[in-house]
Amino acid sequence: AQTVTQSQPEMSVQEAETVTLSCTYDTSESDYYLFWYKQPPSRQMILVIRQEAYKQQNATENRFSVNFQKAAKSFSLKISDSQLGDAAMYFCAYRSLGSSNTGKLIFGQGTTLQVKP
Amino acid sequence: NAGVTQTPKFRVLKTGQSMTLLCAQDMNHEYMYWYRQDPGMGLRLIHYSVGEGTTAKGEVPDGYNVSRLKKQNFLLGLESAAPSQTSVYFCASSLRVNSPLHFGNGTRLTVT
Repeated sequence: AQTVTQSQPEMSVQEAETVTLSCTYDTSESDYYLFWYKQPPSRQMILVIRQEAYKQQNATENRFSVNFQKAAKSFSLKISDSQLGDAAMYFCAYRSLGSSNTGKLIFGQGTTLQVKP
Repeated sequence: NAGVTQTPKFRVLKTGQSMTLLCAQDMNHEYMYWYRQDPGMGLRLIHYSVGEGTTAKGEVPDGYNVSRLKKQNFLLGLESAAPSQTSVYFCASSLRVNSPLHFGNGTRLTVT
C-alpha cells in the first residue's frame, strides 16, 4: 500500500522569503501523480501544483515549484516570495496510475504554514 | 455551475443518533469520494464510487454506509454516531479516473 508522509507539522516563514515543505512517499509503482493542495481557513481544497512521475522536469506554477526526486521518493514544495495569503495547511497527495487505479488520492498529514509580516 | 455541494455545512449529533450527509455534483462526474479530515492525520478515504450504483470501501469505512443511487449524488450515512466520528467530512468528484478532483467545502460534524 502507498503511504505519504509529511514530517513537518508546522512551518513559519517571513513575508517575501522562501520556504520549503517536505513530503516523502512510499510506493512500488512506477506510474503515478503527486500533488500539493492548499487548505486555507475557509476549508476549501485548492490544487497548487501537480507532478507526473514519468516527467523528469520539476513542475512550476508561478511562485510555487517542486523538487521531485523519484529515486528518493521525495516531493518537496518551494514557495518563493511568500505572501500573507500563502498561510494555510498544505497537503501532499499521491495518486496511482496503475491498472487497479480508482482515482483516489492518498494524503499526507499536512503542514501548517504561518507567514509572518 | 455549482460544482460539488455538501449538505449540511455543520451538524452536532448526540451519541447514537443517525444522520446522512449529502454530496451533489452537477458536472456529470463518474467518480465520487468521501474523506474525513482529522488533526495530524490528513484526509483519509472512507468510501468511494466509480459510477452510478457502485460503491467501495476506502481506508476507514467502519461505522459508515454510502449509496450512489443517482449519478449526481453520493450519500454518506452514520447509523449510530460515535464521538470518534467527530471530524470534517469532504466529498470530491472527478469526471474520469485520472481527471482532476473537485472538492466540496466540507461538513463539520461534532458528536457529543
